[in-house]
Amino acid sequence: AQRVTQPEKLLSVFKGAPVELKCNYSYSGSPELFWYVQYSRQRLQLLLRHISRESIKGFTADLNKGETSFHLKKPFAQEEDSAMYYCALSGQGAQKLVFGQGTRLTINP
Amino acid sequence: EAGVAQSPRYKIIEKRQSVAFWCNPISGHATLYWYQQILGQGPKLLIQFQNNGVVDDSQLPKDRFSAERLKGVDSTLKIQPAKLEDSAVYLCASSKWDRESSPLHFGNGTRLTVT
Repeated sequence: AQRVTQPEKLLSVFKGAPVELKCNYSYSGSPELFWYVQYSRQRLQLLLRHISRESIKGFTADLNKGETSFHLKKPFAQEEDSAMYYCALSGQGAQKLVFGQGTRLTINP
Repeated sequence: EAGVAQSPRYKIIEKRQSVAFWCNPISGHATLYWYQQILGQGPKLLIQFQNNGVVDDSQLPKDRFSAERLKGVDSTLKIQPAKLEDSAVYLCASSKWDRESSPLHFGNGTRLTVT
């Protein structure tokens, strides 16, 4: 069974501080991992995916198959990063996305 | 490109009534999804269409929920009769169909309140 766990419902950091949003998954095969973000009054949108290995808005995420984790990191948080973040998993080629419960990130000035 | 369109944005009904939601995906996107998002939880897949065929409806409560995607474009999701626990945001999403998992493009959702 596919499962995504985001242990923190709420995370608050100060502007300029590093931020890490945790994501752990359970999947027996080779998963594809994603981070989706929802800014206030906007629709849910893709932030990044592990196969792209790119940095988006200063965020990076590395897939660690040994620890079954896909944590989202940014070295210096900005106020505009305040949003709801969802980690999601898809079985290889299946395109069915399973989401975690989400973490609300608040960046304090 | 135009995004995924959903209507209505909000709906308030009494329990045991019926309700229908409409979704128009991005042009050319073969795959369409309906997700249910209960307050404080992540989106949960209800049904996935590939063109006008159902790929996955394992989590759709079929005794009260139904969905169709005639002609492989627009889709409607219906609840009949509604229960209090159906109060949620119903999200429609679409994606291209290719070998890699294409990103999902979401609509703004329909917020349903059942009283």
